[in-house]
Amino acid sequence: KNEVEQSPQNLTAQEGEFITINCSYSVGISALHWLQQHPGGGIVSLFMLSSGKKKHGRLIATINIQEKHSSLHITASHPRDSAVYICAVRSGGSNYKLTFGKGTLLTVNP
Amino acid sequence: SQTIHQWPATLVQPVGSPLSLECTVEGTSNPNLYWYRQAAGRGLQLLFYSVGIGQISSEVPQNLSASRPQDRQFILSSKKLLLSDSGFYLCAWSVEVLRGEAFFGQGTRLTVV
Repeated sequence: KNEVEQSPQNLTAQEGEFITINCSYSVGISALHWLQQHPGGGIVSLFMLSSGKKKHGRLIATINIQEKHSSLHITASHPRDSAVYICAVRSGGSNYKLTFGKGTLLTVNP
Repeated sequence: SQTIHQWPATLVQPVGSPLSLECTVEGTSNPNLYWYRQAAGRGLQLLFYSVGIGQISSEVPQNLSASRPQDRQFILSSKKLLLSDSGFYLCAWSVEVLRGEAFFGQGTRLTVV
């Protein structure tokens, strides 16, 4: 069983819809990352969370440490949001190691 | 500002040939450096990380090796590529004492034929 589970694996939405991607993890963590990978493969870091909620434009990320769960929300989705969204957790310790989920492929149709 | 460069972007190599992928970071010093691989249909997997020049830690046994000849240079190598080495390779860096955020290169898509 993967230590980081994402759902759904694939998500298709119409432009303007509110989107939620979920991430559950089974290990103790010091931080959780949401990453965006575009078709060319390049990865952009969207958020790093250790508690609570963060907002950047139309993107909102929340984390519940007790429940070991995080969500990424996209409001008013747009075709340019189409990408793979990856959840990654940072375990405690002196070295910076990320364990990744398999990603959620989001397709937003116009 | 800090930037990370990774090259080449795509590479097609025959089985048994050598490999050298290079990653350099600008605008920071003494970064933690990482090589990840993303095989088809799978999540990213950490291959190597380095906390300083000449210091390499391997996360999984494999046909690859890494070296850090300079503070901001990280190289992924193989003497003889296998078909199973095909995948998408990403370099990343982080500075532990700051926000702990990771920054990724654009990646190299390697196809071994």
